[in-house]
Amino acid sequence: DAGVTQSPTHLIKTRGQQVTLRCSPKSGHDTVSWYQQALGQGPQFIFQYYEEEERQRGNFPDRFSGHQFPNYSSELNVNALLLGDSALYLCASSLKGATQETQYFGPGTRLLVL
Amino acid sequence: GDSVTQMEGPVTLSEEAFLTINCTYTATGYPSLFWYVQYPGEGLQLLLKATKADDKGSNKGFEATYRKETTSFHLEKGSVQVSDSAVYFCALRVRGSARQLTFGSGTQLTVLP
Repeated sequence: DAGVTQSPTHLIKTRGQQVTLRCSPKSGHDTVSWYQQALGQGPQFIFQYYEEEERQRGNFPDRFSGHQFPNYSSELNVNALLLGDSALYLCASSLKGATQETQYFGPGTRLLVL
Repeated sequence: GDSVTQMEGPVTLSEEAFLTINCTYTATGYPSLFWYVQYPGEGLQLLLKATKADDKGSNKGFEATYRKETTSFHLEKGSVQVSDSAVYFCALRVRGSARQLTFGSGTQLTVLP
């Protein structure tokens, strides 16, 4: 049973560029959440997608956007990159409505903005 | 708002020592509580959880008890191993929310042989 997968594993961009990160949820899961983890910090919630719609959003600017596809996979897009966007981006999947609805995390994409 | 406060690290212990990592929380509703572990270069793995007051979560020799009266969820292990070296995150999720997790800042644990 494949767990949560993310691509790419590492990425280097320059300020002002745009980036797209991808996530495939654990088999059987229908909900995807994205988190940003700055170096030495805990993950911060960006947003969550369910039924191809953004359901809730954390305190992140509109430069951060996303999408969920019919197969439940998801993309995170960041426009006009800033140095401060350098972080590990984590995707987590879960099954909406499950009794415990535990979130399972992928290995992350490490983004470096120069 | 919701927040989680963890004891600051790093924590360095000798193998077979007793481990405690403190975690306290503030929540707007009734939270479920979690401990996640992050090994070097990897994502987060769920270590244990508790969904109501006085519940005890346990896994791989780690334990934590949901204490509503002290708003705490301290992580303990009686005898740590070198393989337990990792960063440990305490987290909460308030019921009725979009299931987002609120994390503490993490505690780096290093176990020496």
